[in-house]
Amino acid sequence: AQSVTQLDSQVPVFEEAPVELRCNYSSSVSVYLFWYVQYPNQGLQLLLKYLSGSTLVESINGFEAEFNKSQTSFHLRKPSVHISDTAEYFCAVAYKGGNKLTFGTGTQLKVEL
Amino acid sequence: GAGVSQSPSNKVTEKGKDVELRCDPISGHTALYWYRQSLGQGLEFLIYFQGNSAPDKSGLPSDRFSAERTGGSVSTLTIQRTQQEDSAVYLCASRPDGINQPQHFGDGTRLSIL
Repeated sequence: AQSVTQLDSQVPVFEEAPVELRCNYSSSVSVYLFWYVQYPNQGLQLLLKYLSGSTLVESINGFEAEFNKSQTSFHLRKPSVHISDTAEYFCAVAYKGGNKLTFGTGTQLKVEL
Repeated sequence: GAGVSQSPSNKVTEKGKDVELRCDPISGHTALYWYRQSLGQGLEFLIYFQGNSAPDKSGLPSDRFSAERTGGSVSTLTIQRTQQEDSAVYLCASRPDGINQPQHFGDGTRLSIL
C-alpha cells in the first residue's frame, strides 16, 4: 500500500533558525509530490509541488523542497523561519495513473522567539 | 475568486442524530474529495467523486456514512446515527481534471458529538 512518512510529529525551532521537515514515500514509481500547510482552524493550502523537471522547487515565502528519487524523499526546508510559519505541514504524494493523494500524518512546526 | 466553501463551520449534535455537511467546490473543478481529520491525526480519505463516474467510496468507515454530489457540483456528506467517535473536522477539497493538479481545501466543518 502507498504510504507517506513524516517522522517528526513536532519540530520546535527558534525564529531565524533554519528548519527541515522530513518526508519519505513508499514507492519509487512515477509520482507527483506536494507540501501543504494548515494554519489553525483553516483548511490546507498548497505550499509547493513537484511535478517534473528540476528537482528543487520553491514557494513564494522562502520554503523549498528537493525531490530525491533514489531516497524516495521530498524534505521541506527553510533557511530562516519566522513566527508566522508556525503551522502544521503535510506532505502528500499522488501516483501517476491514480486518483488520490496520500497524506502523511503532519509535522507541527512551532517557531519560538 | 471564490474558493471551496463548507457549511456549517461548526456543528454540535447529540449522539444518535443524523447530520449533513455541505461542500461547494470551485466552479469547473471536476474532482471532489471528502477527508476526516481527527485531533492530532493526519487526513483520512473518505470518498472521491470524478465527473459522472461512480464515486470511490473505499474510505468510508461504516455504512452510516454516505455522500452524494448533485449535478457535478455541490456535495453533501451524511452521517447517520452519529457516534462520539465521529467527532472530527471534515474537510472537502476539489481540483481540476488531472491527478497532478493541486487540491483546493475548504476550511472544514468541526463536528462535535455529545
